[in-house]
Amino acid sequence: NAGVTQTPKFRVLKTGQSMTLLCAQDMNHEYMYWYRQDPGMGLRLIHYSVGEGTTAKGEVPDGYNVSRLKKQNFLLGLESAAPSQTSVYFCASSYSIQGTSGSPADTQYFGPGTRLTVL
Amino acid sequence: AQSVSQHNHHVILSEAASLELGCNYSYGGTVNLFWYVQYPGQHLQLLLKYFSGDPLVKGIKGFEAEFIKSKFSFNLRKPSVQWSDTAEYFCAVIPYSGAGSYQLTFGKGTKLSVIP
Repeated sequence: NAGVTQTPKFRVLKTGQSMTLLCAQDMNHEYMYWYRQDPGMGLRLIHYSVGEGTTAKGEVPDGYNVSRLKKQNFLLGLESAAPSQTSVYFCASSYSIQGTSGSPADTQYFGPGTRLTVL
Repeated sequence: AQSVSQHNHHVILSEAASLELGCNYSYGGTVNLFWYVQYPGQHLQLLLKYFSGDPLVKGIKGFEAEFIKSKFSFNLRKPSVQWSDTAEYFCAVIPYSGAGSYQLTFGKGTKLSVIP
C-alpha cells in the first residue's frame, strides 16, 4: 500500500494564479482532511470530508475549495493564490471508529506534504 | 470548541535524559487523545493514542503517555531519549461524539532537540 500520497511535492506560484493539490489514499478510509502547517502554529484544518461527495469547512477555509468526487481522492484548490497561503499542506485520511460514516474518526494517516510558495 | 495547549515550545536535552512533554486540553466531554511526531522534513506519524481503558498508554520507540482526566492532561514521557528522537511532537484531541468528532484539534507543537 502506498498509504496517503500528495501531488505535487513543491510548487511556486505568483499572486493570483490558481492551482489544485491532489491527495490520494488507498486504505479505503471514509474521512479525509486538508491541513496547513505554519511555523509556531501547529496544524490547522482547512477542509475535511466524511464521505464521497461531501465536504465541510475547518478552522481556516477562506481562499480554498475542495472536492471529493471519488472516495480515494480529495482535491484542494486555490482559485487566486495569495502570499498568505505560502505554507506546507498536508493531507490526511482516517477510518471511522465504527467503520461507518458518521462515527468518530480514528487515527489519521498523513501524506508527505506539499510545500507551496506564493510570490 | 476544544483546544489543546502544549506548554513547551522548545526542549533541549542531552542523550539519556528523561523527557516529559506537557499537554492539556479543554473540552467538557469525552475525548480521544493522540500524540504525533514529525521528524525533520517528514510527515506526521502516530506515536500513541488513548481511547479508553488503562490511562497509561505505551507507544512506539519507548514512548508512553498518561491520561489524567481530572487534570485534562495527556503528558508524553520517555525515560531515556536518543539523538534520533529529535523531532517536533504534537498533542491532539478529538471529541468522542457529537459535532466535531471528525476533527482533530492539534496543539502548536513542541520541538525536541537531543544533544549527543
